[in-house]
Amino acid sequence: DAKTTQPTSMDCAEGRAANLPCNHSTISGNEYVYWYRQIHSQGPQYIIHGLKNNETNEMASLIITEDRKSSTLILPHATLRDTAVYYCIVRASGTYKYIFGTGTRLKVLA
Amino acid sequence: GAGVSQSPSNKVTEKGKDVELRCDPISGHTALYWYRQSLGQGLEFLIYFQGNSAPDKSGLPSDRFSAERTGGSVSTLTIQRTQQEDSAVYLCASSLESVGLTEAFFGQGTRLTVV
Repeated sequence: DAKTTQPTSMDCAEGRAANLPCNHSTISGNEYVYWYRQIHSQGPQYIIHGLKNNETNEMASLIITEDRKSSTLILPHATLRDTAVYYCIVRASGTYKYIFGTGTRLKVLA
Repeated sequence: GAGVSQSPSNKVTEKGKDVELRCDPISGHTALYWYRQSLGQGLEFLIYFQGNSAPDKSGLPSDRFSAERTGGSVSTLTIQRTQQEDSAVYLCASSLESVGLTEAFFGQGTRLTVV
């Protein structure tokens, strides 16, 4: 079954890069990796997604290993507003079921 | 509206009662997802709609749960004979894509408490 594994929590100093790892060793060859975040009491917010190549947008960068078994979300200059739970998400192959897992609670410290 | 709207935002119900939760997706979004999130937990997939049809209902936990979508827009999640373990935040998301979670927008959720 599709599954993601992330650290339960991480701290990051304000202004520094936050590197959030995710293991998705069971991912199928044509499935994307998605990252969302959830700020307290709000619905999750889309950040970025990727298949094989590294991706960058205005919010973050996504580094995917060559074997696609893991990835890292990078917030280049974390701010206090980036404090949230970050979810790495994959789809169970052959379904529309996206597996969120328990996520990483990132705390950005002043 | 500008985003995904869910109502009610909070619902307290007695055990054994039926409840209906509503989701208004972003106009033009064909894909719609229902998830639920128990306290301190990650999101649990319930059902996916493409237009009015539901090709994936695999996450519905029991036959007490059902959902429909009409006119390719509004969706209603119904829970019959509610139980205390149904207490959770129920989240709805919509996206332009017919497949994939690319740039899906989530609502603020309905917090259901069964007493």
